[in-house]
Amino acid sequence: EAGVAQSPRYKIIEKRQSVAFWCNPISGHATLYWYQQILGQGPKLLIQFQNNGVVDDSQLPKDRFSAERLKGVDSTLKIQPAKLEDSAVYLCASSLADGAYEQYFGPGTRLTVT
Amino acid sequence: EDQVTQSPEALRLQEGESSSLNCSYTVSGLRGLFWYRQDPGKGPEFLFTLYSAGEEKEKERLKATLTKKESFLHITAPKPEDSATYLCAVQDRAGSYQLTFGKGTKLSVIP
Repeated sequence: EAGVAQSPRYKIIEKRQSVAFWCNPISGHATLYWYQQILGQGPKLLIQFQNNGVVDDSQLPKDRFSAERLKGVDSTLKIQPAKLEDSAVYLCASSLADGAYEQYFGPGTRLTVT
Repeated sequence: EDQVTQSPEALRLQEGESSSLNCSYTVSGLRGLFWYRQDPGKGPEFLFTLYSAGEEKEKERLKATLTKKESFLHITAPKPEDSATYLCAVQDRAGSYQLTFGKGTKLSVIP
């Protein structure tokens, strides 16, 4: 079974530029999550989708971050404009459905903002 | 607000030297407690889910246990390939199904 796919793996941009990350979850997984992991910290949830609807985006900085999940499959997370403090690893995860189901993570995208 | 505290921050063991990692948590109502392993440059890899106090789960040299306030990840006779950061996360019964993670314990097993 293929795992969660993410691209790109690495991205370096200057502050105030925009960037987009892509995620393709495990086939059949209805729930998709985007996490931000700053060096030395655990992942922090940014947004959660159930199929193509948003379940929780309370920790998403909506003035600069946006995300969509068209057709309930793959998803895109965008940052515009980027700030230095956005330097982090952006992880995508998926699970079968809501509930105490284990979440499976992709390899992440390491973003460096200079 | 849910909180997860992991200790120690880092642990250095000789190969074969058993030890335990601690995860203390505060939630209004626990739906599940999750353990993940994270290798450098990779995403977290799922290990265990525990649902209620007294529950235990095992996988190879790892055993996870749960009480009402904390969870332990016991590592028996570790090998160098067990070196990684181990993350603990809780899922609250209230609200969405997000995971709240601790900062992790970085385990190094020396041959």
